[in-house]
Amino acid sequence: AQSVTQLDSQVPVFEEAPVELRCNYSSSVSVYLFWYVQYPNQGLQLLLKYLSGSTLVKGINGFEAEFNKSQTSFHLRKPSVHISDTAEYFCAVSGNRDDKIIFGKGTRLHILP
Amino acid sequence: GAGVSQTPSNKVTEKGKYVELRCDPISGHTALYWYRQSLGQGPEFLIYFQGTGAADDSGLPNDRFFAVRPEGSVSTLKIQRTERGDSAVYLCASSFQGAVNTEAFFGQGTRLTVV
Repeated sequence: AQSVTQLDSQVPVFEEAPVELRCNYSSSVSVYLFWYVQYPNQGLQLLLKYLSGSTLVKGINGFEAEFNKSQTSFHLRKPSVHISDTAEYFCAVSGNRDDKIIFGKGTRLHILP
Repeated sequence: GAGVSQTPSNKVTEKGKYVELRCDPISGHTALYWYRQSLGQGPEFLIYFQGTGAADDSGLPNDRFFAVRPEGSVSTLKIQRTERGDSAVYLCASSFQGAVNTEAFFGQGTRLTVV
């Protein structure tokens, strides 16, 4: 069965500083990985996904993530955060292209002025 | 409509009552998902439809929970004999061909409170 672990429940970071949100996965088969974002009072929105190919995936709003098979990780990064990045970020995994997506518990990103 | 619509947005019910939560997916989307999100937690998978049939209902917690999608579009999540532990935000998502291959779009959710 697939699962993801988000190691930090909250991450505070100063505006314009870089940020990394950590995610580790477990899967016994092929793995497809996702990051979703939930802005305050809004629905979940896809940031980026890894299906195959290049291990560095670029998403919306300047975010990127790197798939690392040896470390079973899919960490999300942004070189310079903005106050508008305040949100909850969810890492997610699927083991099959025709399968459901399983979410982690989320990391709340706090941007400090 | 332009996005996934869920009704009602809020529902307060008494313990033991029956509730129905509705999801209107994006037109043309064959895949539909139900998730439940408790406070401070990530979305928990409940059930996944491809067309009219449930492709995976392994996330339904017990037989009090049931979902249908009779015509392959609108879906209803039904909860019998509600318990206080059922209180959560129930999320619906739809995608054109499945959430791995094509983007899943989420509704705003129905906040269910069982008192």
